[in-house]
Amino acid sequence: AQSVTQPDIHITVSEGASLELRCNYSYGATPYLFWYVQSPGQGLQLLLKYFSGDTLVQGIKGFEAEFKRSQSSFNLRKPSVHWSDAAEYFCAVGAGNNNDMRFGAGTRLTVKP
Amino acid sequence: EAQVTQNPRYLITVTGKKLTVTCSQNMNHEYMSWYRQDPGLGLRQIYYSMNVEVTDKGDVPEGYKVSRKEKRNFPLILESPSPNQTSLYFCASSPLTGSYEQYFGPGTRLTVT
Repeated sequence: AQSVTQPDIHITVSEGASLELRCNYSYGATPYLFWYVQSPGQGLQLLLKYFSGDTLVQGIKGFEAEFKRSQSSFNLRKPSVHWSDAAEYFCAVGAGNNNDMRFGAGTRLTVKP
Repeated sequence: EAQVTQNPRYLITVTGKKLTVTCSQNMNHEYMSWYRQDPGLGLRQIYYSMNVEVTDKGDVPEGYKVSRKEKRNFPLILESPSPNQTSLYFCASSPLTGSYEQYFGPGTRLTVT
């Protein structure tokens, strides 16, 4: 079965600094990969997704992620973080015929002024 | 507006008192699912449904029931809630056309005392 690891539980960055959130997955075939964001007290919003094709995908709010098959990774990046980006970020992998989706434990992002 | 709705958003109850959390989607999605979110564990799937009258267990189904009598609705039932079911619950839906992207409801925060 597929699984997802987000190695960083909590990350703090200064406003305007660059950001990279790590995600590693385990799956035997080409996975469907997602990043979701959860703002405090809110539901989950899809930032971006990878199904196939170009391994660098662009998402909403200025985020991008790169799929690296050799490293089983799908790291999320943003060149300049804004205070409103403070939230919890979840990486997920989808696979199988039953829409099975597995989530990582999440990375909480704090943005310092 | 395409959306997944959940009710109630907040619920405090006592051990053993049966409760139902409703979930409804207006996107005509075949697939619906329930997750619980706990700190450090990410989202774990409770039950899912591939279509009307078709439901199956996820990773943590103990203590929960579901039904899918109509395509748009997928209620989560706790027949005898216990304190270890205190959690944040999310309902999600998706189409079955090759995309595993799931659309999430706003969440229901349940406290069982």
